[in-house]
Amino acid sequence: EAQVTQNPRYLITVTGKKLTVTCSQNMNHEYMSWYRQDPGLGLRQIYYSMNVEVTDKGDVPEGYKVSRKEKRNFPLILESPSPNQTSLYFCASSLGSGPYGYTFGSGTRLTVV
Amino acid sequence: RKEVEQDPGPFNVPEGATVAFNCTYSNSASQSFFWYRQDCRKEPKLLMSVYSSGNEDGRFTAQLNRASQYISLLIRDSKLSDSATYLCVVNILGGQNFVFGPGTRLSVLP
Repeated sequence: EAQVTQNPRYLITVTGKKLTVTCSQNMNHEYMSWYRQDPGLGLRQIYYSMNVEVTDKGDVPEGYKVSRKEKRNFPLILESPSPNQTSLYFCASSLGSGPYGYTFGSGTRLTVV
Repeated sequence: RKEVEQDPGPFNVPEGATVAFNCTYSNSASQSFFWYRQDCRKEPKLLMSVYSSGNEDGRFTAQLNRASQYISLLIRDSKLSDSATYLCVVNILGGQNFVFGPGTRLSVLP
């Protein structure tokens, strides 16, 4: 089944404790992206990648890192999480730009206390 | 002005009704347009792409007006299962910046 898999689905952590949210897709998509969704603010892009070893900042990259060492994986790293990073995170992948749209993972609900 | 704007709703309509949503975008270089639906606490799912000539998929019709920079979604014969938030998405060709609108919430009532 074609899908984007994120883990974990839920995570509660403390301020400053490094964490990684994994994302993997099995569709051989070149494009991958991370979004966060907050009430009243909608979906905002954090980082995206157009291919292996090619990543770029989205609209809200501060406090996040990503890597794209393999085509299928695009982990999101929070080196020192803070409470304002409490949010619902989605990973997504796309065949390319143009009329393809994104396939989203099921989301990771992160709480930083 | 926000890049992509939508009426947040909620739109409360009876089963069987026809409902239309509009979405406006600010960047005239935008090339690709989509409608997604998102159920509560779930991931957004692609509903349909929007083509220049307009397109239809069953009860759903999408239209694009480049001159006025808006896209629309029409849902005919609404079902209870259509209750969701509908997100308008705009992309500039060649880029990976898919900009999401805030969404319009639809409730279809029995």
